[in-house]
Amino acid sequence: AQSVTQLGSHVSVSEGALVLLRCNYSSSVPPYLFWYVQYPNQGLQLLLKYTSAATLVKGINGFEAEFKKSETSFHLTKPSAHMSDAAEYFCAVSGGSSYKLIFGSGTRLLVRP
Amino acid sequence: DAMVIQNPRYQVTQFGKPVTLSCSQTLNHNVMYWYQQKSSQAPKLLFHYYDKDFNNEADTPDNFQSRRPNTSFCFLDIRSPGLGDAAMYLCATSRPGLAGVRETQYFGPGTRLLVL
Repeated sequence: AQSVTQLGSHVSVSEGALVLLRCNYSSSVPPYLFWYVQYPNQGLQLLLKYTSAATLVKGINGFEAEFKKSETSFHLTKPSAHMSDAAEYFCAVSGGSSYKLIFGSGTRLLVRP
Repeated sequence: DAMVIQNPRYQVTQFGKPVTLSCSQTLNHNVMYWYQQKSSQAPKLLFHYYDKDFNNEADTPDNFQSRRPNTSFCFLDIRSPGLGDAAMYLCATSRPGLAGVRETQYFGPGTRLLVL
């Protein structure tokens, strides 16, 4: 069975500050991990994905995530927050023969001016 | 640009009145998914099609049905909407990856359903 835990339903940062959104996963097979962003009343947009090629994954909009097997983590970071980064962020895991994505509960990022 | 399109973006229906949501894609992907997302929650998979093969999630109510007449289109039918079915409905597509490679799911903008 697979699962994802996102620590912190809300994260608030100042504009220009480091963004850190936490994701821990559980998987009995080698996982594929994804971060999606959702703006209000929009669908989900892929930020980045890990597919075992490299542990540090760079995505769009300056985001990156590092896969740490020993910690079963895939935290999302961005060095400097921008007001436009305010959105809901979902971590998801997939793997094995299933096409299903298992989503975390989401983290709402607030960016203060 | 290749994309996933959902119509309408907003749908209002009456309690118990059947409603159909539509999804189309220009990506030519084999797999199409329907998710339900309630406020401040993660998307919940209702079912998916791999080509014409329908795969229902065990906890999807019978009230929800789906049709996929061709590769490009997929429909979500709610036979008798209840107040609890008010949500955002998201369509997504993916293609089966090479062995061991999990392909990305691409999402449409969603249809927000309001049940009066």
